[in-house]
Amino acid sequence: GAVVSQHPSRVICKSGTSVKIECRSLDFQATTMFWYRQFPKQSLMLMATSNEGSKATYEQGVEKDKFLINHASLTLSTLTVTSAHPEDSSFYICSAQGNPRGTDTQYFGPGTRLTVL
Amino acid sequence: AQRVTQPEKLLSVFKGAPVELKCNYSYSGSPELFWYVQYSRQRLQLLLRHISRESIKGFTADLNKGETSFHLKKPFAQEEDSAMYYCALRANAGKSTFGDGTTLTVKP
Repeated sequence: GAVVSQHPSRVICKSGTSVKIECRSLDFQATTMFWYRQFPKQSLMLMATSNEGSKATYEQGVEKDKFLINHASLTLSTLTVTSAHPEDSSFYICSAQGNPRGTDTQYFGPGTRLTVL
Repeated sequence: AQRVTQPEKLLSVFKGAPVELKCNYSYSGSPELFWYVQYSRQRLQLLLRHISRESIKGFTADLNKGETSFHLKKPFAQEEDSAMYYCALRANAGKSTFGDGTTLTVKP
């Protein structure tokens, strides 16, 4: 149990287009979802925290209008990279925090590799 | 501000040798500390958390508030322990801050 999926696993797009990444908690309700960005051989950088039905809280330096987050339900959050540019190319990872076994643990998705040409 | 430092980017030991992955943190409140592991081509997953005070796959970690450390230890490393290990601190609003990670290689 406690599986988090991400779709797509990898996407290649042209500069200027928008890309949507979905994050789903498959067998539990996630009270909070987090979006991270990971550069090669570097740590995870938290981009934003989202709670179902409310606006996401963005970390300092993360553009809200660039990285749109929608947390429509307790099992789905989406990250849309608007007007993507090559510098947005990265590995995006979501995590869902819930309480499927009374532990309030953070479960991670497999990540989405975004390449902007 | 919260910060997590893993001083070693790479750590290599022989099978059967003890291993310690260092983690230091800075946080003004009472932190929750975690160790996450990422095996080759797999997603990040929780290894252990300080609250549980448990041993997972032979690994233990003790929170030392005086030294602000949460080092991960295993007395006898196995080849299957080779992976990337991240120390993380969870504080305000459930946000986690991750260290830069340590790549552990256990040689046969």
